[in-house]
Formats: sequence, C-alpha cells, structure tokens
Amino acid sequence: ILNVEQSPQSLHVQEGDSTNFTCSFPSSNFYALHWYRWETAKSPEALFVMTLNGDEKKKGRISATLNTKEGYSYLYIKGSQPEDSATYLCAFVNYGGSQGNLIFGKGTKLSVKP
Amino acid sequence: NAGVTQTPKFRVLKTGQSMTLLCAQDMNHEYMYWYRQDPGMGLRLIHYSVGEGTTAKGEVPDGYNVSRLKKQNFLLGLESAAPSQTSVYFCASSWGQGHVETQYFGPGTRLLVL
Repeated sequence: ILNVEQSPQSLHVQEGDSTNFTCSFPSSNFYALHWYRWETAKSPEALFVMTLNGDEKKKGRISATLNTKEGYSYLYIKGSQPEDSATYLCAFVNYGGSQGNLIFGKGTKLSVKP
Repeated sequence: NAGVTQTPKFRVLKTGQSMTLLCAQDMNHEYMYWYRQDPGMGLRLIHYSVGEGTTAKGEVPDGYNVSRLKKQNFLLGLESAAPSQTSVYFCASSWGQGHVETQYFGPGTRLLVL
C-alpha cells in the first residue's frame, strides 16, 4: 500500500513568520508530486507539479523542493500572511500507477494569526 | 468560464436510496475524476475517465458507478446508498494525464446517508 505522509498535521504561526512543512512518499517508482492549497469551504487549487529530482518551484512567497531519491518534498512559505491560512495537500504519483491515481496525504493545516 | 461545477451541493439520503451526482466542466478537459473526502483521510479516487465514453476504477470504487456520455459531464451514481458513503465528494478534471497535469476541482457535494 502506497503511503503519503504529511507533517506536521497542523501549524499555527504569526503573520510575517516563515514556515515549512514536509511531504514524504515512497522513493521507488516515483513519477510526480503535486502540491495543492485548500481553503476552507473552497476547492483545492493546484500550486505545483514536480517531476524531477532536485526540482524547485516558486509561486510568489510559496516555494517547493523535491528529493525523489529520499522521498520527500518541502513546501516553504515566506512571510506568512493570514490569507495563506489553508490546508496544504501533497499528492504522489507512482510510475506504473493508473492514469488518474494521485495518492493524497492528509494535509497540513496552516493557521496564520494577524 | 465556470470551471468545474457540481450538483447538488448537499443531499441527505436514507439507506437504500439511489442518487446521481453531476459534475460538469467547461474547459474541454479530457480527463475527469471523482474523489471522496473523509475525516482524517486524504482524498481518495473513486472512478475516473480518460475521455468521452470511457471510465475506470480508482482506489475505492465499490458501491459507485459512473458514466461519461458527454465530454463535459461525469456522473457518479449510488445505486443503494449506505451510511459508509456519507462523505464529501469532489469532482476534478484535467487537460491531460493526471500524472503530471494539474487537476481542477469542483466545490464538492456533501452527502449524508442516514
């Protein structure tokens, strides 16, 4: 059974703090890693799709790195703002998996206090 | 451009009743997916479609059927609802293969089976 772990489960930070969280996934048969941002009462929105070991992607104050050999990805948020409050999901795709099969972690819930 | 829409937003069923959830997308996406979200668990794929007239099973297909008669619509059916199917259902679509393409999610349908 393929397992995707995200840590921490939840995180409370002050506005202006920088933060990061982890997504761990099986290192064998890696194909892709997705990050999504999910605000309460809204739909998950895509942040990044990462496929290459060592890849780093950036979108504004949010960036992500990928280590496929050791099976982890970090998501960083620089200078957190209250509007960054959301659950951040990662999803792993393994080589040979069915075409639609993203395996999601349970998410990291971020709360940013003003 | 409405993106991905889901009907209904909320529904209460009695055990044994049937219903159909409708997902519609106006982005001309080939791939469509149905997920369920349960407390303490990641999103899990129920069924998916790689194009009009095709369907395939995901991780948790039992108790559900799907149809993709038109490219823009993906229907999820519950023939005989059970309390274990109480969940929030999300539809998603993507341009190409779900492995590396961003998936666009609908707003969700909250289903309660009594």
